[in-house]
Amino acid sequence: ETGVTQSPTHLIKTRGQQVTLRCSSQSGHNTVSWYQQALGQGPQFIFQYYREEENGRGNFPPRFSGLQFPNYSSELNVNALELDDSALYLCASAIGQTTYEQYFGPGTRLTVT
Amino acid sequence: AQSVAQPEDQVNVAEGNPLTVKCTYSVSGNPYLFWYVQYPNRGLQFLLKYITGDNLVKGSYGFEAEFNKSQTSFHLKKPSALVSDSALYFCAVRGRNQGGKLIFGQGTELSVKP
Repeated sequence: ETGVTQSPTHLIKTRGQQVTLRCSSQSGHNTVSWYQQALGQGPQFIFQYYREEENGRGNFPPRFSGLQFPNYSSELNVNALELDDSALYLCASAIGQTTYEQYFGPGTRLTVT
Repeated sequence: AQSVAQPEDQVNVAEGNPLTVKCTYSVSGNPYLFWYVQYPNRGLQFLLKYITGDNLVKGSYGFEAEFNKSQTSFHLKKPSALVSDSALYFCAVRGRNQGGKLIFGQGTELSVKP
């Protein structure tokens, strides 16, 4: 186990709703990244937070937003859910912005109906 | 555009035989390269990385990978496969000026039969 936890484990939402996913970083890690993994595909980078500031973003629309808190835990918020948002959402924590190794949590399975 | 390709959706090997999972990449400059493994209903587990230096890197659980700059490849290998190695394997690359952004391949399902 990596020490990175995510909640909830599973979630079912309806199209148009909003969702918040949570991630608790490994102790001592000040960087968190979020990834979306659609079924049968590799994870895709959504964004990264370092010391509470967003410092990198992938090709995702603004309705995907995030927060990092002083204790370095993090939230991923998705507004106006679409069917294609159904995926496994992974967070990964690391020490520093450019550290080599990222430690992934078990993920949150989001289903949008 | 930066990309990672894993040309095989599935690799089947017999237990005790060597295994290779292929990965090629397209990234400008000298990237950092990674392999992760994913078991069902689990997150990604780090296996190994190439940053610089020796082209053959060793990682967890007896896995190793060979970096080939001229072929832009980073194939994952293991001399003797175990049934417990059966899982989904992802190759990932990160540009040296890309912060923490990892670009993943689509994954290769490894099946090791007794």
